[in-house]
Amino acid sequence: SQKIEQNSEALNIQEGKTATLTCNYTNYSPAYLQWYRQDPGRGPVFLLLIRENEKEKRKERLKVTFDTTLKQSLFHITASQPADSATYLCAHGAGNMLTFGGGTRLMVKP
Amino acid sequence: DSGVTQTPKHLITATGQRVTLRCSPRSGDLSVYWYQQSLDQGLQFLIQYYNGEERAKGNILERFSAQQFPDLHSELNLSSLELGDSALYFCASSVSFGNTDTQYFGPGTRLTVL
Repeated sequence: SQKIEQNSEALNIQEGKTATLTCNYTNYSPAYLQWYRQDPGRGPVFLLLIRENEKEKRKERLKVTFDTTLKQSLFHITASQPADSATYLCAHGAGNMLTFGGGTRLMVKP
Repeated sequence: DSGVTQTPKHLITATGQRVTLRCSPRSGDLSVYWYQQSLDQGLQFLIQYYNGEERAKGNILERFSAQQFPDLHSELNLSSLELGDSALYFCASSVSFGNTDTQYFGPGTRLTVL
């Protein structure tokens, strides 16, 4: 079955460093992947979408890559700040429904 | 603020009961999506409506139903509630039904079944 997976362990990094989060997919080839940010008790907020023919997408301090050979997307936050602490979700859309990974919790320490 | 509103914010009820969750999409959005988020299952797609018609269905239980009204607001009805239905329920909206359309999520309704 199609699976989209993220590292369930929290990622702790120091302020100013680059955070890198991983999203892996198996048994299918998504045409695109989306990344969302979710703060505790709140709804997810869309960040970036990357298509399979795009190797890389950037938005301010955010960068997403899509490696169809490794079946993986990487999400980077450069010059991380404590305000970046949240859970980050990757998602794939098939038709009209989004399938989300379990999310990775990022903690940026000052 | 995403522009999507959900009521109520919190709901506490007993097993066997029925509840209705309400969602108003962003102005101009025609699609409404419902998701369930629990600790063990993560964020799961339930159902989508576009301009009043059901468009896509996920792993929605038969005890759950939804509809979208002519003014585009949507309601999710949960009946014969079980303890395992306790979760955060999110509504999202998008302009259309394209699979790359950005979905804007509401603040959620936290349902607790005792």
